[in-house]
Amino acid sequence: NAGVMQNPRHLVRRRGQEARLRCSPMKGHSHVYWYRQLPEEGLKFMVYLQKENIIDESGMPKERFSAEFPKEGPSILRIQQVVRGDSAAYFCASSPTTRGRFGSYGYTFGSGTRLTVV
Amino acid sequence: DAKTTQPPSMDCAEGRAANLPCNHSTISGNEYVYWYRQIHSQGPQYIIHGLKNNETNEMASLIITEDRKSSTLILPHATLRDTAVYYCIVRVADSGAGSYQLTFGKGTKLSVIP
Repeated sequence: NAGVMQNPRHLVRRRGQEARLRCSPMKGHSHVYWYRQLPEEGLKFMVYLQKENIIDESGMPKERFSAEFPKEGPSILRIQQVVRGDSAAYFCASSPTTRGRFGSYGYTFGSGTRLTVV
Repeated sequence: DAKTTQPPSMDCAEGRAANLPCNHSTISGNEYVYWYRQIHSQGPQYIIHGLKNNETNEMASLIITEDRKSSTLILPHATLRDTAVYYCIVRVADSGAGSYQLTFGKGTKLSVIP
């Protein structure tokens, strides 16, 4: 039973390039959440998606960042025209429904993608 | 969600119990206490959660004070693999928009020493 799969594990981009981070949720999970962790900081919520819908993107920067979770395939977090401040670890979590063993939302996190902008 | 306060770091001898405190003095009646940990370079891992009563599972025990303003996570026999950052999070379990968000602070960096 594969967990939440994120790829790539490490991504290096030059300033101005685009970064695409992929997240495949656990089998049977239809809810995906993206979090960002800046160096020496805790994780910060970015966006919550269900299949083909963005439910809450209140934590997403207003520009250059977008996320999708298509009917088929993984969820994608896209960062356009990356800057050095985008260097961080990006974690994806998934959950089966809005109720689970963790209270409302049973989160399972992936191992993250570490983005380095040079 | 209520704010939590944790010591930035702690040491624990291998094989001994690790007691990690968390203050959440502004916790509301419908907010749960959750504990996650993050081992270096990995994603956060759920440990345990509780509302009022003490809880125990295969990983840890959670002791919540009667006034619910603080709690302690107990790892009964710490091993080197328990070295990680431990996050105490309080949030509403069953509500509308926003209840799915986890608000991570800086946590407690636990070092288990041989």
